[in-house]
Amino acid sequence: EPEVTQTPSHQVTQMGQEVILRCVPISNHLYFYWYRQILGQKVEFLVSFYNNEISEKSEIFDDQFSVERPDGSNFTLKIRSTKLEDSAMYFCASSEGTANSYEQYFGPGTRLTVT
Amino acid sequence: AQSVAQPEDQVNVAEGNPLTVKCTYSVSGNPYLFWYVQYPNRGLQFLLKYITGDNLVKGSYGFEAEFNKSQTSFHLKKPSALVSDSALYFCAVRDPQDTGRRALTFGSGTRLQVQP
Repeated sequence: EPEVTQTPSHQVTQMGQEVILRCVPISNHLYFYWYRQILGQKVEFLVSFYNNEISEKSEIFDDQFSVERPDGSNFTLKIRSTKLEDSAMYFCASSEGTANSYEQYFGPGTRLTVT
Repeated sequence: AQSVAQPEDQVNVAEGNPLTVKCTYSVSGNPYLFWYVQYPNRGLQFLLKYITGDNLVKGSYGFEAEFNKSQTSFHLKKPSALVSDSALYFCAVRDPQDTGRRALTFGSGTRLQVQP
């Protein structure tokens, strides 16, 4: 069964450093998403991406964040200058994007620890 | 703005007994509703969804959920719990009235503990 994959599973970085989190969505899916889950808190939406551009973003997704689909398979989230409060589990998700598709399929997550 | 409430942080049930995990929602129109399950150190796995039609929807692993519009609820149920069902369960909503918005809004999660 196709699945969303994410690398790395765990990333440790120092405050102020840039990190890139990588995702490979399910191959025939058209919409891609990033969510995050701070330890013990809700899963929060960050951004959605369709047709090579951001289609929606939350107030969390400020100028330090960016997303990119550098090729036909990868989808990345870049955090330019990490802060302690960026420590969280980051989930990538994808959905088909057809008229009758509604559910999003999530990857296993990348645990980001900012020290 | 859309929101989801899961009023119970934890639900404990004995194996073989029926289980219910509660969820209520708030959206401007008719909602799209979802349940996801998260096992330790794993991502969110899709269980089931309600989009339209029959209020009782069936999903993976024997789970089902009932959409109740008057009570704005979408409770997750299973007739007979298994120890392996122990996990964190998230309810999520999407407001289809906002056509540009596909983001899911999640509840805070309910930890289900099934005792042998």
